Amino acid sequence: DAGVIQSPRHEVTEMGQEVTLRCKPISGHNSLFWYRQTMMRGLELLIYFNNNVPIDDSGMPEDRFSAKMPNASFSTLKIQPSEPRDSAVYFCASSLVTENQPQHFGDGTRLSIL
Amino acid sequence: KQEVTQIPAALSVPEGENLVLNCSFTDSAIYNLQWFRQDPGKGLTSLLLIQSSQREQTSGRLNASLDKSSGRSTLYIAASQPGDSATYLCAGSNAGNNRKLIWGLGTSLAVNP
Repeated sequence: DAGVIQSPRHEVTEMGQEVTLRCKPISGHNSLFWYRQTMMRGLELLIYFNNNVPIDDSGMPEDRFSAKMPNASFSTLKIQPSEPRDSAVYFCASSLVTENQPQHFGDGTRLSIL
Repeated sequence: KQEVTQIPAALSVPEGENLVLNCSFTDSAIYNLQWFRQDPGKGLTSLLLIQSSQREQTSGRLNASLDKSSGRSTLYIAASQPGDSATYLCAGSNAGNNRKLIWGLGTSLAVNP
């Protein structure tokens, strides 16, 4: 079975450019999570969706970040404009919405903003 | 506010040794506690999930325990192998928002042949 698929795997871009990260969750999963991982702060939850609806976006650092889930099989995380401090590994994870279900992670997008 | 701490940050052991990884949390009203493994350049793989009503979970050579009163969870790895080398992270969620995991920074484990 295909796991969570993220693209691109690596992104290098210049400060000020728009960055779009993509995620395809596991088929049948109805919760989707976006995380950011850095050495200093570890894993931080940015936003999560249940049944395509954003439930908690309190982790989104500022208005430059936005996330959408137009359907059950696709989500995007957009940064506009990007800044060097946004450099990190961004992970998408999915799970069933029922309680006590583990999250399944993609391999992440390594983002470098120059 | 829930905080999760993992000590030590790094651990190196010889192959075959039994070892314990530690995770502590500040709020005893924890909903569940999960252990994950992360290999370099990869995402996280869920290893064990302990619900608040449980004391431990086992999978193969792995055993995870949860003691809410002391705010601690441990991951026990029996007969360690070089393939166990990875970073191990624990994460907890609270009943108020049980979908939101609070993460430790992880323990980087090296098992030497």
